[in-house]
Amino acid sequence: DVKVTQSSRYLVKRTGEKVFLECVQDMDHENMFWYRQDPGLGLRLIYFSYDVKMKEKGDIPEGYSVSREKKERFSLILESASTNQTSMYLCASSLPGSLGYEQYFGPGTRLTVT
Amino acid sequence: DQQVKQNSPSLSVQEGRISILNCDYTNSMFDYFLWYKKYPAEGPTFLISISSIKDKNEDGRFTVFLNKSAKHLSLHIVPSQPGDSAVYFCAATPSGTYKYIFGTGTRLKVLA
Repeated sequence: DVKVTQSSRYLVKRTGEKVFLECVQDMDHENMFWYRQDPGLGLRLIYFSYDVKMKEKGDIPEGYSVSREKKERFSLILESASTNQTSMYLCASSLPGSLGYEQYFGPGTRLTVT
Repeated sequence: DQQVKQNSPSLSVQEGRISILNCDYTNSMFDYFLWYKKYPAEGPTFLISISSIKDKNEDGRFTVFLNKSAKHLSLHIVPSQPGDSAVYFCAATPSGTYKYIFGTGTRLKVLA
């Protein structure tokens, strides 16, 4: 059974804190993604990675960074959390290439920044 | 600039009837289109996809139709069941990229 896990389901952080969101997949997928989901805005891509140590900015990378030191793990970092980063964060993985392979999503992390 | 649009934020359908969810797109360079279903407090799960060279793909109760001239995609669910109540997202992959561009979602409620 394929699996994408995220380190926390719920997180509450204070403004200015550094926040780490971890994602692990067990499918040996090359591609990994971080999205945020907000009401009325759908899923918006923050960053994606197509290989270890490789990353590309998505549509809304400002205020975020990522790390991919191992194939199975992709971390999202909020360098200095702000209230406008309160959101649902979703990690996903997929096979390589641009052939429309389905993505497998984790359960999400609901982050609240106060 | 929303390249993939789901103009209906919500839809209610009686159990046993057909549900039709719609999606419009602006980029003619999309290779694949996918539909995902999302329950509250869970990540989206893949439902069905279609290549841009096809106009229909069917999987059990789910059928996706692609009208390239109208840049329109639809998902048909027949018959609808209460367990289908969820938010449905359409997504598209631009040619030559790893990216997936999602619509804003349509909340489907199937009434028993």
